[in-house]
Amino acid sequence: EVQLLESAGGLVQPGGSLRLSCATSGFTFSDSWMTWVRQAPGMGLEWVANIQGDGSAKTYAGSVEGRFTISRDNAKNSLYLQMNSLRVEDTAVYYCARSAWALDSWGQGTLVTVSS
Amino acid sequence: DIVMTQSPDSLAVSLGERATINCKSSQSIFRSSYNKYSLAWYQQKPGQSPKLLIYWASTRASGVPDRFSGGGSGTDFTLTISSLQAEDVAVYSCHQYYSPPYTFGQGTKLEIK
Repeated sequence: EVQLLESAGGLVQPGGSLRLSCATSGFTFSDSWMTWVRQAPGMGLEWVANIQGDGSAKTYAGSVEGRFTISRDNAKNSLYLQMNSLRVEDTAVYYCARSAWALDSWGQGTLVTVSS
Repeated sequence: DIVMTQSPDSLAVSLGERATINCKSSQSIFRSSYNKYSLAWYQQKPGQSPKLLIYWASTRASGVPDRFSGGGSGTDFTLTISSLQAEDVAVYSCHQYYSPPYTFGQGTKLEIK
């Protein structure tokens, strides 16, 4: 069974940093593209970033490019999102998802709140 | 960026009736190497993570009931629920995976009339 489990988010001040993790199991992680998607309170889904199985290719949404970094550790079957220079508008539930073209498995999500 | 626009924003349908949600892409999302449209539909029930329903515009994901179907061509796509059940109350979102950033529609909230 495919499982994705995000680490706890939290409350961060504007301008601060936070690193999210996503622990995975039940599939060959190193063969899979992985994606971060976020959802602001009461809003729709927003694609954030993805990364190729070997980590060689990464793509970002314009709203986070230069501030967020997606990475992975295939030895640990884990996906990461380093979030720097956080803004109030980054407040959202963050989901990790496996990308088989479409996003076929999702984690339960973790809430990141950016507020002073 | 490719803009995905869904209509309507919300929809109320009686139990057992058909529900149709539309999604329009701002440009073609046809992946010629696969001869398929790079479009997915997700269902998100309150308090839950999204769940993949349909990919390549018309292929049902594993375990999805056959009352859910996807269709369309060009830049216009539809998700149809042939006979609405109570458990189908959710927000439905389309998603293009043709060109990054892989954008979503704004979501359509489906309720029981």
